[in-house]
Amino acid sequence: AQKITQTQPGMFVQEKEAVTLDCTYDTSDPSYGLFWYKQPSSGEMIFLIYQGSYDQQNATEGRYSLNFQKARKSANLVISASQLGDSAMYFCAMREKRGGGFKTIFGAGTRLFVKA
Amino acid sequence: DTGVSQDPRHKITKRGQNVTFRCDPISEHNRLYWYRQTLGQGPEFLTYFQNEAQLEKSRLLSDRFSAERPKGSFSTLEIQRTEQGDSAMYLCASRNVTGTAYYEQYFGPGTRLTVT
Repeated sequence: AQKITQTQPGMFVQEKEAVTLDCTYDTSDPSYGLFWYKQPSSGEMIFLIYQGSYDQQNATEGRYSLNFQKARKSANLVISASQLGDSAMYFCAMREKRGGGFKTIFGAGTRLFVKA
Repeated sequence: DTGVSQDPRHKITKRGQNVTFRCDPISEHNRLYWYRQTLGQGPEFLTYFQNEAQLEKSRLLSDRFSAERPKGSFSTLEIQRTEQGDSAMYLCASRNVTGTAYYEQYFGPGTRLTVT
């Protein structure tokens, strides 16, 4: 079963508009963490934002915010005021306790295209 | 500030050859992770180290793969008798499990392996 599901293989957004990238997850661990990473064409994974399962408020980092709906097990990334440089792959990831340690599992990603 | 570095950035090898990749984490980070990323997919966990101890290995890591972190600093990932299915991007990440922002993994630029 998929642990992290990103249902949008590709998304288009107009420059300066906001865009939401979807992510749903599945875990039985009550203490987990959710992440979003950006991967530009250069290949490096860039950390964007983190949400802990016990965090009461939605995480925000500059133009990035995480719409955390715990009951629905969703952790959508909202990018406000899109910029051309936001064009990249975006990965949702979850860290959960498995076995004796923690493991981070990534989704398949969403490719975002920002149009001028 | 030097981030995570990986060497080489690209490697082309013939099937059956052995290859070795190196990762230098951020100096104060005690955890080091190896991931594999194939085209169109998110990174898949391979193994991780806490200092010099290898704490977990994924089932993806067949007996042709071996990883070391001899002094708890840099790490090497060796693939013996390479197969075409080994072609992928190999990503290294590090983090510090103490202090602030302990949850964030910092990724290197990756080593792209092509097996011909």
